[in-house]
Amino acid sequence: QQQVKQSPQSLIVQKGGISIINCAYENTAFDYFPWYQQFPGKGPALLIAIRPDVSEKKEGRFTISFNKSAKQFSLHIMDSQPGDSATYFCAASWYNQGGKLIFGQGTELSVKP
Amino acid sequence: DSGVTQTPKHLITATGQRVTLRCSPRSGDLSVYWYQQSLDQGLQFLIQYYNGEERAKGNILERFSAQQFPDLHSELNLSSLELGDSALYFCASSASSVHEQFFGPGTRLTVL
Repeated sequence: QQQVKQSPQSLIVQKGGISIINCAYENTAFDYFPWYQQFPGKGPALLIAIRPDVSEKKEGRFTISFNKSAKQFSLHIMDSQPGDSATYFCAASWYNQGGKLIFGQGTELSVKP
Repeated sequence: DSGVTQTPKHLITATGQRVTLRCSPRSGDLSVYWYQQSLDQGLQFLIQYYNGEERAKGNILERFSAQQFPDLHSELNLSSLELGDSALYFCASSASSVHEQFFGPGTRLTVL
């Protein structure tokens, strides 16, 4: 019940295209849903986050779409660039558990020039 | 740069040994989290401290322990090391348990 399932495992997108990564969860107590970007040899970097009272959040080329009834959320990267090539992790947490993050399995994104 | 520092960057040791990983949170952050990243298990939460006290525990082995000191830096102690403990260990910090977590660069532990 504490799992976060992420798909796809890997994704290849052409430069300028839209990258879409999906996540699903079961625990309705989750109240915070961040996305992290990780480059090889680096720590995960917070990209964008959303709370369940909002259906969409946009920051630059990155958008989170959130569907509370379906218990799903997704990351959309518009106008994908080769510099976006990295591993992306969705995560979820809830206040009563100290904010610990439950991570999805990760998606390796490759943007081809 | 997240503002979270971790030392050492790399650590190579032998089975049965004990190591200590160190983390300094961002200035002003009271919460410190430890995570383990491995190919087979992904990113897994280990333990959280808030202002010196243990707040939450995850899948942390009994051979592992942590503490947070009065200056808010934290140490993760790994003992009786096994080959399977080889992984990246990340520390993250946040202003409180309801705020964003910022990750350090990690310590790569290799157990031979």
